[in-house]
Amino acid sequence: NAGVTQTPKFQVLKTGQSMTLQCAQDMNHEYMSWYRQDPGMGLRLIHYSVGAGITDQGEVPNGYNVSRSTTEDFPLRLLSAAPSQTSVYFCASSQLATDTQYFGPGTRLTVL
Amino acid sequence: KNQVEQSPQSLIILEGKNCTLQCNYTVSPFSNLRWYKQDTGRGPVSLTIMTFSENTKSNGRYTATLDADTKQSSLHITASQLSDSASYICVVSANTDKLIFGTGTRLQVFP
Repeated sequence: NAGVTQTPKFQVLKTGQSMTLQCAQDMNHEYMSWYRQDPGMGLRLIHYSVGAGITDQGEVPNGYNVSRSTTEDFPLRLLSAAPSQTSVYFCASSQLATDTQYFGPGTRLTVL
Repeated sequence: KNQVEQSPQSLIILEGKNCTLQCNYTVSPFSNLRWYKQDTGRGPVSLTIMTFSENTKSNGRYTATLDADTKQSSLHITASQLSDSASYICVVSANTDKLIFGTGTRLQVFP
């Protein structure tokens, strides 16, 4: 039981490049979410999904896309990276939105 | 506006000492409150989750309290260990399924 896994662990991009951050969970959780964590700020919700085929925007969705084709996977796509997207990204899952969330180890992204 | 404020921002203590971290919230309607521990370079891990009717919950050397009337919670760490060095995040859930995160307290335990 691996829990929540994220890849890559580190990534450096140039402004304008695109990439996908991968997230997978093996706990059969319905609810999955993506957060970014910046110094001095709490975790901020980017996008979330309450089940396969359903996604919705969080607090800071601009510049990011998500899809949920399976229960297990919830990739986050950066369409055209900007320096303001330099951050640490965490994926989390839970059975319900109000349940305890299980977080992945994070992806540290730097956009030059 | 729904907000979660934590204090202190950072804290340094000696190994073996106790400490208390504070969380004040203005989230309404309230559903539950959680404390997470986040080690450097890792994702947050849940310590406790408390609903409106619970006022104390323990997890080993960690004890969380909740006063729903004053909208305050505290996390008390007993007999601190070096491994307690981490950030502690308070998260409040609204009945709308919205989670509001505090900015965390960074705790450093020195030998």
